[in-house]
Amino acid sequence: AQSVAQPEDQVNVAEGNPLTVKCTYSVSGNPYLFWYVQYPNRGLQFLLKYITGDNLVKGSYGFEAEFNKSQTSFHLKKPSALVSDSALYFCAVRDIYGGKLIFGQGTELSVKP
Amino acid sequence: DAGVIQSPRHEVTEMGQEVTLRCKPISGHNSLFWYRQTMMRGLELLIYFNNNVPIDDSGMPEDRFSAKMPNASFSTLKIQPSEPRDSAVYFCASSLISGFAFGSGTRLTVV
Repeated sequence: AQSVAQPEDQVNVAEGNPLTVKCTYSVSGNPYLFWYVQYPNRGLQFLLKYITGDNLVKGSYGFEAEFNKSQTSFHLKKPSALVSDSALYFCAVRDIYGGKLIFGQGTELSVKP
Repeated sequence: DAGVIQSPRHEVTEMGQEVTLRCKPISGHNSLFWYRQTMMRGLELLIYFNNNVPIDDSGMPEDRFSAKMPNASFSTLKIQPSEPRDSAVYFCASSLISGFAFGSGTRLTVV
């Protein structure tokens, strides 16, 4: 079965510092990996995805993620955090058999001034 | 493109009542998904359709839940009768190949 895990329920970062939100995956075959962000009382917004190609994927709002096949990881990163980045972040993998997205449990990012 | 459109945005209903949630996917997308989000269980896939055909409904909690997709531009999720434990945010998403888009969700409160 395919799955993703986000080992941290919460990440706290000071504004201006780099941030990392961790994600590991378990799939058979090549993974399709995604990051979404959810602001309070809002839907999920797409940040970026990895399908194939460059291991470093750049996405919206200055975020990027690095696909690491040997470590089965797809960590989300940003060089300099903003207070407005505070939100709930979800990692997801696409089921290659049926096309559905399987989500991790989410990581609450808090960026303090 | 208006994106995935869900209605209503908020629904408050009494236990035992029927609730119908609606979704209009992005035009041209051939897959549609219904997810439920709760604090306890996170994001759960309830059911999804490919080309209007239900493919996997293993996530539907019980017989009180049903979903239909009568055409490529419309889907409904119905709960009958509703119970307080059904209170959650219900998201619809549509997809074509690798692109997924989510609606803003329906916040359901059953009292």
